[in-house]
Amino acid sequence: EAAVTQSPRNKVAVTGGKVTLSCNQTNNHNNMYWYRQDTGHGLRLIHYSYGAGSTEKGDIPDGYKASRPSQENFSLILELATPSQTSVYFCASGDSGDTLYFGAGTRLSVL
Amino acid sequence: AQSVTQPDARVTVSEGASLQLRCKYSYSGTPYLFWYVQYPRQGLQLLLKYYSGDPVVQGVNGFEAEFIKSNSSFHLRKASVHWSDSAVYFCAVSANSNNRIFFGDGTQLVVKP
Repeated sequence: EAAVTQSPRNKVAVTGGKVTLSCNQTNNHNNMYWYRQDTGHGLRLIHYSYGAGSTEKGDIPDGYKASRPSQENFSLILELATPSQTSVYFCASGDSGDTLYFGAGTRLSVL
Repeated sequence: AQSVTQPDARVTVSEGASLQLRCKYSYSGTPYLFWYVQYPRQGLQLLLKYYSGDPVVQGVNGFEAEFIKSNSSFHLRKASVHWSDSAVYFCAVSANSNNRIFFGDGTQLVVKP
């Protein structure tokens, strides 16, 4: 069974602080993705990666950075968190055009 | 580029009734099509997918979907819903030549007892 693990599951941050969301997959998938989910917007793609060392901008990359140091790990970094980044964040892994496997999500509140 | 439209933000049905959740996609080539389900406070899980062949595909828990190319649609169906089917359902489309999957905004399904 494919497995994607996100940490932390819940996070409260202060405005202007740095936040790092982590994602680990044991599926050996090349591609990994970060989405945010907000009411009324569905899933929006922030960054994605084709493999270790690569990151690509998705549809809403502003205010976010991504890092893919290895096949298994993909991080999302908010250098200067803002209240507008309060959301639920999902990591996913998959192969080209194929099924995505999602983590359970990280609920982030920026105060 | 691909896109997906789910015209119904919320659908309410009675337990035991039949269900159809609508999905229309935009893509000029041959699409890969997916339905995912999201239960409260969980990530998305695959229900079913279509790549080629028989346009009616079966998924988990009695769900099925039909690919109708002439209508650019991939509607999800179930003959008899159960209260546990209450969730958010996402339709998604991908091309076989790139790595992006495009999601619709989701349909909230409420099953009344």
